[in-house]
Amino acid sequence: NAGVTQTPKFQVLKTGQSMTLQCAQDMNHEYMSWYRQDPGMGLRLIHYSVGAGITDQGEVPNGYNVSRSTTEDFPLRLLSAAPSQTSVYFCASSPVGSGGEQYFGPGTRLTVT
Amino acid sequence: GENVEQHPSTLSVQEGDSAVIKCTYSDSASNYFPWYKQELGKGPQLIIDIRSNVGEKKDQRIAVTLNKTAKHFSLHITETQPEDSAVYFCAARLQGGSEKLVFGKGTKLTVNP
Repeated sequence: NAGVTQTPKFQVLKTGQSMTLQCAQDMNHEYMSWYRQDPGMGLRLIHYSVGAGITDQGEVPNGYNVSRSTTEDFPLRLLSAAPSQTSVYFCASSPVGSGGEQYFGPGTRLTVT
Repeated sequence: GENVEQHPSTLSVQEGDSAVIKCTYSDSASNYFPWYKQELGKGPQLIIDIRSNVGEKKDQRIAVTLNKTAKHFSLHITETQPEDSAVYFCAARLQGGSEKLVFGKGTKLTVNP
């Protein structure tokens, strides 16, 4: 198993540009989530999904969209990037009802200029 | 909602000493408390977890204790080694909270040889 994969590893955007951060998992996990990590702020939940076709907002959802058309994929879209979205983004997955262990991807470092 | 406080934010110890990181949570309905280790440039990885029906759990050099009455839990690392140097995050999950985790802000542990 590859586990949780994320692409790209690094990205630089200009303010106002759009892009999609990709996340995929091959463990057949129902639950997937996106976090952003900023210095001194820990990991903050952006959006999450408990299964295909179901998504919900986390703690910091503004400026981000998600969709979940398959169990495997959970892309994160930035429609109009802002400097405040400069961060490291992590995707995670877990089985629903497993008791909670989440498996994290390697992260995407995004810089918005 | 749930709030998790983590202390200290940085911790420096000599190789062989013990390290203790403490977290408090606000919602008494939380029932699952994982600890993640994040090495530089990587995603967080689960190292140990504890559920609300248990007071202590050990795995070799690491242990976690939980005090439900006081709503705090701690990570203990004994006989620290340089490879223990990393950022450690605690988290809490609400009972029935769809696998959502709320993270502390992290502790940067440095083990000096």
